Amino acid sequence: GQQVMQIPQYQHVQEGEDFTTYCNSSTTLSNIQWYKQRPGGHPVFLIQLVKSGEVKKQKRLTFQFGEAKKNSSLHITATQTTDVGTYFCAGPGSSGDKLTFGTGTRLAVRP
Amino acid sequence: DGGITQSPKYLFRKEGQNVTLSCEQNLNHDAMYWYRQDPGQGLRLIYYSQIVNDFQKGDIAEGYSVSREKKESFPLTVTSAQKNPTAFYLCASSALAGGGQYFGAGTRLSVL
Repeated sequence: GQQVMQIPQYQHVQEGEDFTTYCNSSTTLSNIQWYKQRPGGHPVFLIQLVKSGEVKKQKRLTFQFGEAKKNSSLHITATQTTDVGTYFCAGPGSSGDKLTFGTGTRLAVRP
Repeated sequence: DGGITQSPKYLFRKEGQNVTLSCEQNLNHDAMYWYRQDPGQGLRLIYYSQIVNDFQKGDIAEGYSVSREKKESFPLTVTSAQKNPTAFYLCASSALAGGGQYFGAGTRLSVL
C-alpha cells in the first residue's frame, strides 16, 4: 500500500534558526496537504498543493510540491516558539477517497 | 460557529465494556473520518464515510464499529474486542473525499 515518510523524525532548533521537513510518497500524488499539531492538540489543516512544482507561502512558511508529485517540503524561516509542534504531510490514496498521513516531524524550539 | 465537536474529551472504559465516542459537524461536509493516535505516533485510519448510510474500513478497523445515519454525525464505538483501546481518538471531516480535513479536539480514552 501507499507509504508516506517524513524526515527528520525530530528536530530541535534555536529560536530564529530555519527548519525544513521533507515528505516522500511511494506513489504519485494528486495533491499534498500539510497539517500542524500542537502538543496536546489536534491536527490543523495548513495548506493543499496540487500542481507539479508548486510553491506556496504563508508568512514564514514555504511549501513546495515536487516536480514528480511524489515529494514535498515545508520550510520555516526564523522559527519562533509558536512554531512548536508536529508537522504532518498527507496525500490521497489511489482511489482518492482517503488520506495517508506521513510519519510526522516534531519540532522543538529553544527560546 | 462552524466546526467539529467531539465528546467526551476524556473517557474511561472498564474491561468488557463497549463505549461510544460522539462526533458532530455543522460544516455540511459529506466525508467523515475516525483516526487513532498513540503517544508520539502518527494518525491511523479506523473508518471513514463518504455519504450517509455508507462507510468503509480503514487500516485498523478491528474492534471498532461506526454508523452514519445522519450527515452531521459519525459516532465511533470501541467494542470489548479492542484489547488495547487506550489512545487519542480524532474525528475529521472534509467537503470532498481526499480533500483537506478539519479535525475535532479529540477524545482521550483510557482503560480502568
